[in-house]
Amino acid sequence: RKEVEQDPGPFNVPEGATVAFNCTYSNSASQSFFWYRQDCRKEPKLLMSVYSSGNEDGRFTAQLNRASQYISLLIRDSKLSDSATYLCVVNLGDDKIIFGKGTRLHILP
Amino acid sequence: GAVVSQHPSWVICKSGTSVKIECRSLDFQATTMFWYRQFPKQSLMLMATSNEGSKATYEQGVEKDKFLINHASLTLSTLTVTSAHPEDSSFYICSARQIAGGADTQYFGPGTRLTVL
Repeated sequence: RKEVEQDPGPFNVPEGATVAFNCTYSNSASQSFFWYRQDCRKEPKLLMSVYSSGNEDGRFTAQLNRASQYISLLIRDSKLSDSATYLCVVNLGDDKIIFGKGTRLHILP
Repeated sequence: GAVVSQHPSWVICKSGTSVKIECRSLDFQATTMFWYRQFPKQSLMLMATSNEGSKATYEQGVEKDKFLINHASLTLSTLTVTSAHPEDSSFYICSARQIAGGADTQYFGPGTRLTVL
């Protein structure tokens, strides 16, 4: 099983719709979790950290399920500007940080 | 969020030359920085982990003598691509690790696009 696994997509979603991504991780000792977004030919930018209790930032909601070892990202009322690649990131501790390969999202007008 | 800069943002060089890329954390100290590269339409590939004051830890398959990493201060890490060849053309991105307020987060530089002719 890969350390961090994401559906590569692409997810083609009409503007205004709700879209959700999951990311699974294999190491139960993983310490912290993040979602980054990466636009084409740009560096990844931190979107949000993922907390055990779940957290929300505007239209974005992140959740962590330690028992099933996955994290999720929900985007409500999607905008054209949400089109990007979303990277799931898992911090194993001891300077070991694993990136998923990303899920491509295309928001359609 | 914290700011990380990279210099240069792009470079074109002849085959056989060496290229040095700088990564700086501008408003925080980073004991640990990471170097990645990304080929078009592919995911980030971790090259090495750079710790201030000690030798970098390279990922499997990354030649340490070709990709020289120096992390001489808490705000600066450099990657030197020695004797660059066209296959080294890629997008090189650094990140700096910030540990503050109970959070442990990576912030990325804007990347350096290297083209070797």
